[in-house]
Amino acid sequence: NAGVTQTPKFRVLKTGQSMTLLCAQDMNHEYMYWYRQDPGMGLRLIHYSVGEGTTAKGEVPDGYNVSRLKKQNFLLGLESAAPSQTSVYFCASSLLAGGHTGELFFGEGSRLTVL
Amino acid sequence: SQQGEEDPQALSIQEGENATMNCSYKTSINNLQWYRQNSGRGLVHLILIRSNEREKHSGRLRVTLDTSKKSSSLLITASRAADTASYFCATVKKTTDSWGKLQFGAGTQVVVTP
Repeated sequence: NAGVTQTPKFRVLKTGQSMTLLCAQDMNHEYMYWYRQDPGMGLRLIHYSVGEGTTAKGEVPDGYNVSRLKKQNFLLGLESAAPSQTSVYFCASSLLAGGHTGELFFGEGSRLTVL
Repeated sequence: SQQGEEDPQALSIQEGENATMNCSYKTSINNLQWYRQNSGRGLVHLILIRSNEREKHSGRLRVTLDTSKKSSSLLITASRAADTASYFCATVKKTTDSWGKLQFGAGTQVVVTP
């Protein structure tokens, strides 16, 4: 049981390049999330999904797009990377809405550097 | 803006000592959760306490919640070197919809020396 798997784990981009981060979960969870973690700022929610085919904006969605074509996958895209998007990105999933049952399961993170 | 803020930002203790960290938040919550993050790893859920609960235990962890002061504390008893990690509180605001978004604080970095 792998849980939540993120790929790639590391990536270096040049300003203006595009890329996609892939998150896969094998727990049949409905809810999936993308967070970014920056020093001294905790985790901030970028986008989330409450089920297959749905996406919604979090608190810092600008510059990112997401898709949830399959229940087990949640993709985070950067169309034109900027240095401000240098961060560690975490994907998470939960069986039910976080507000009611809690527990989020996190991936190991994807460290992105934009030069 | 962050809903939860942990205090202290960093804590250094010796093995066997207790570690206490606090979390303050701004608005009414549905529940509050604590997570641990080892260096270079993802977050791991430790414990959830609901707004109508005052105290919960899980192994060497004790969490308290004081909704009148909008604060929570996490106590790790008899700490071990393996407890070295960052600890985050995450709050879920009370809302009228069914969705509850977690908001994370900046974390407390705990170092336990042998």
